[in-house]
Parts: sequence; C-alpha cells; structure tokens
Amino acid sequence: DTGVSQDPRHKITKRGQNVTFRCDPISEHNRLYWYRQTLGQGPEFLTYFQNEAQLEKSRLLSDRFSAERPKGSFSTLEIQRTEQGDSAMYLCASSFKGKDTEAFFGQGTRLTVV
Amino acid sequence: QKEVEQDPGPLSVPEGAIVSLNCTYSNSAFQYFMWYRQYSRKGPELLMYTYSSGNKEDGRFTAQVDKSSKYISLFIRDSQPSDSATYLCAMPSGGSYIPTFGRGTSLIVHP
Repeated sequence: DTGVSQDPRHKITKRGQNVTFRCDPISEHNRLYWYRQTLGQGPEFLTYFQNEAQLEKSRLLSDRFSAERPKGSFSTLEIQRTEQGDSAMYLCASSFKGKDTEAFFGQGTRLTVV
Repeated sequence: QKEVEQDPGPLSVPEGAIVSLNCTYSNSAFQYFMWYRQYSRKGPELLMYTYSSGNKEDGRFTAQVDKSSKYISLFIRDSQPSDSATYLCAMPSGGSYIPTFGRGTSLIVHP
C-alpha cells in the first residue's frame, strides 16, 4: 500500500495522559499536514511540514501539542496532558510542494479522551 | 465568517437522481478548488480539482466554478447508494496554499 499511513487507528486514553500518533506520508511527497476533525465538521488545519521544516502552525495548536518530522519522512504528533476536548479524529495528509491541489489523506487516528 | 461555507445537510435523494452539492467562499484570491469524499470513520479521498472558472468532468462527477459569485458546485449524475458519504470542498489558502475545508455536506442516496 503506497498511500498515507497512520498509526494507531484508534486510541483511548485517560485525561492527563500523553499520546503520540505517527504518520507515514506517500514516499515522494515533501509536504505533510496534520488536521483535526470533530463530528460534523470539516478537517481543521493544525500544522504542516515541508521536508523536515515545520513551516506553519495554526492557533488551534496549543502548547500541549507538538509535531516533528525529523528526517523529512514520517511525522509524529504528540499531545501532552490530554483533555476531553482533544477527542477528535487526527488526520495526516501529504502532497508535493507545487501540487497542493493533490493532497492525499490517511485514514486518521481517532482519539477518545475519557 | 468562515472562508469556506457548506450546508451540512443531510441531503437525501433517491437512487438515480442528479445531485448538486455546493460551497461558497469569501477569498477572491482562491484559484484552485477541490472536492473530497469522506465515508464514515475514514479519511477524506480526493475526487477532483479544478482551476479558476469553468467545468471539469470525470465520469459521473462534474465540478463547476463560478468565481464571479464565489460559488462552486459538484454534480453527481445517476447517483448510487455507494455515493452516500460526506462531500467536502477545499481550497488552498494563504501564501503556503494549505487546503482549507468546508464543514462538508452529508449525502444519502437511498435505493
């Protein structure tokens, strides 16, 4: 499968715990995006990387959230001290710079904070 | 006002109907317009994209852009129950061309 891969698909955690999600983009794509989606809403932009550089962060990305893409390949999104409001689907997408009209998404990680 | 607006629906139609899904947007600088389909509990899947104004057709799907009205549409001909999903419009936004999404319209095609 050469699509965008996300792991885990589901995560249930207790409030206050830290969680980390992984995204493996399409191998030749240099752009990687993280989005959050809640029920009945479209995906909301969190942050994006071009290669290993994190170039933009949304105001939604509080200081409890951190993302990395250390070698310009896979990326991780960590949420520290989770809150119930963090419950959502976390989506990763990738594209070529210059072909941002073709952003391909993974299946998402569904986070439930109890 | 959000940059991209979509009626959330649900839109319920009988099998075989022609479906019209729409988005409005506020930023006249948008040049590219994308449509995604999202099945329940899955990630969005890119259906098609168009540049500037005009129509683009792909099988049963036609995307239409009216930049003067800041209005885009996706038409589905001969709709099938398998088309039941949420349809999201998106536009690359800002200097970094980050896809910005509407909230999606839920479509139900009943047999």
